[in-house]
Amino acid sequence: GESVGLHLPTLSVQEGDNSIINCAYSNSASDYFIWYKQESGKGPQFIIDIRSNMDKRQGQRVTVLLNKTVKHLSLQIAATQPGDSAVYFCAEKYSGTYKYIFGTGTRLKVLA
Amino acid sequence: SQTIHQWPATLVQPVGSPLSLECTVEGTSNPNLYWYRQAAGRGLQLLFYSVGIGQISSEVPQNLSASRPQDRQFILSSKKLLLSDSGFYLCAWSRAGSNTIYFGEGSWLTVV
Repeated sequence: GESVGLHLPTLSVQEGDNSIINCAYSNSASDYFIWYKQESGKGPQFIIDIRSNMDKRQGQRVTVLLNKTVKHLSLQIAATQPGDSAVYFCAEKYSGTYKYIFGTGTRLKVLA
Repeated sequence: SQTIHQWPATLVQPVGSPLSLECTVEGTSNPNLYWYRQAAGRGLQLLFYSVGIGQISSEVPQNLSASRPQDRQFILSSKKLLLSDSGFYLCAWSRAGSNTIYFGEGSWLTVV
């Protein structure tokens, strides 16, 4: 099937290094954010989320940072592994709605 | 645990033919259900969402329609497909009152 990420920005990282993927969101009233991982030909997989009343949240090998001042979200992956290779994108939810706005994504390539 | 099933996984249809993509969610009751479309190099576009049986909200006027005949079943349809309907279609669900959206594996539609 057709790739959904043909012309995405790409981040290449050496295996074992840390990865930082960035996302700028659009609506200062958004109250919830999610990071997804999408492998080729598959549906997006939930990684981690954060509410707007937080600025940091940690999961297993992943950390999400939220800077509401500049409307910026980042995903940090520790000790990046080959299985982390995928497209990563963020989503913001408009407060009081079911409406999510999704970014176009960043392709992460892990170099052996 | 909750699971979401979407089918068919791939579909090649001639212009002007009808479409039916189906999605079911297991392991939960009264979920919010969504249909998204993902075009190459672009973010996910919300097509329809539903908060209950027979309750459908359309986000984008188009050649498609959605129905929710049962609590955990969501169907995406078209009477006559256009070339521009080609794309990757994703069904998703969230618990009522929860923000997190979980996606199915997607359906590749190619209109020829």
